[in-house]
Amino acid sequence: EAQVTQNPRYLITVTGKKLTVTCSQNMNHEYMSWYRQDPGLGLRQIYYSMNVEVTDKGDVPEGYKVSRKEKRNFPLILESPSPNQTSLYFCASSLWGQGSHNEQFFGPGTRLTVL
Amino acid sequence: GESVGLHLPTLSVQEGDNSIINCAYSNSASDYFIWYKQESGKGPQFIIDIRSNMDKRQGQRVTVLLNKTVKHLSLQIAATQPGDSAVYFCAEKTAGTASKLTFGTGTRLQVTL
Repeated sequence: EAQVTQNPRYLITVTGKKLTVTCSQNMNHEYMSWYRQDPGLGLRQIYYSMNVEVTDKGDVPEGYKVSRKEKRNFPLILESPSPNQTSLYFCASSLWGQGSHNEQFFGPGTRLTVL
Repeated sequence: GESVGLHLPTLSVQEGDNSIINCAYSNSASDYFIWYKQESGKGPQFIIDIRSNMDKRQGQRVTVLLNKTVKHLSLQIAATQPGDSAVYFCAEKTAGTASKLTFGTGTRLQVTL
């Protein structure tokens, strides 16, 4: 089944404790992206990757890191989480990064709480 | 700054009626628009898209209308069913950029029996 998977689905952690949220897609997509979703603000892009070893900042990259060593994986790293990073996180992928008719497939989401 | 927004945060519709969800966008350089559906506890799911050189596109029970003159996008759902209950987002992509989408805040559709 073609899908985007994220782990963990739920995480409660404390301020300053490094964590990684994994994202994997099995559709051979070039483009991958991370979003956070907060009430009243909608989905905001954190980082995106056009292809392996190519990453770039989105709208709200502060406090996050990403890597794209393999085409299928795009982990989101919080080196020192803070309470304002409590949010619902979504990973998404699409076949390529340019052009229209380029549907993005979303993962199921990761609910992160930073105490 | 440029933004994508929605007129109504919650829409209540009776089963079998048609639903219309509206979206206003402000970036005249946007060339691609998408509607997503997000059910509780799930990620957004693609419904239908439209390019800026079109003003209407139809899918199965859904139609998207684009009015570039007033920068307005709408999603019409025919014969609304209980399974249509969800939050609906519009999103836009600016011409010449990568697949970066700007999302609206969402409209909750509630289908009553």
